[in-house]
Amino acid sequence: EAGVAQSPRYKIIEKRQSVAFWCNPISGHATLYWYQQILGQGPKLLIQFQNNGVVDDSQLPKDRFSAERLKGVDSTLKIQPAKLEDSAVYLCASSLENSPLHFGNGTRLTVT
Amino acid sequence: AQSVTQLGSHVSVSEGALVLLRCNYSSSVPPYLFWYVQYPNQGLQLLLKYTSAATLVKGINDFEAEFKKSETSFHLTKPSAHMSDAAEYFCAVRELNNNDMRFGAGTRLTVKP
Repeated sequence: EAGVAQSPRYKIIEKRQSVAFWCNPISGHATLYWYQQILGQGPKLLIQFQNNGVVDDSQLPKDRFSAERLKGVDSTLKIQPAKLEDSAVYLCASSLENSPLHFGNGTRLTVT
Repeated sequence: AQSVTQLGSHVSVSEGALVLLRCNYSSSVPPYLFWYVQYPNQGLQLLLKYTSAATLVKGINDFEAEFKKSETSFHLTKPSAHMSDAAEYFCAVRELNNNDMRFGAGTRLTVKP
């Protein structure tokens, strides 16, 4: 089966600019996650979707981060405006109910 | 709230030696437990999972982990390290009927020739 697809792989922006990341989950996976992985740390959950509804966004900095999953398939994560501390790898994952997560290769964001 | 603690941010072993990566969890109910591996510039790949069946779980590449409820541990082992095992390893916990997965801070494994 095709894995989780993410784009772009790398992005460099200046602080206060905007950026968007895209994720296409494995076909049929109802649950989609966005994680932030800062260098040297484990992934931290930003937001979890079940189909096109938000299940958990308690750790999403909503003043600057937003995410959507239109039609319950693809998802986009946006940061506006970016800060230096947003430099990280943004991982998308998907899963079936009560099943392990399948991760994409991530988008490495550098904010200068 | 569920969480995991990985003891040792960096472990170094010689090729052919035993690999032991430590993970302790906290959860109010019996959890699902996972080990993931991350190679440079890649996403996380599932090594193995514990889902309340056998306490000794075997995964890919000869890795295995044992769930010990009395010690709230889920340590990852491999009898003989290979150079290709060098990577970052993450322990993760998820409670039953809850898709929220929490990761540890990770342990970087280095394998010396």
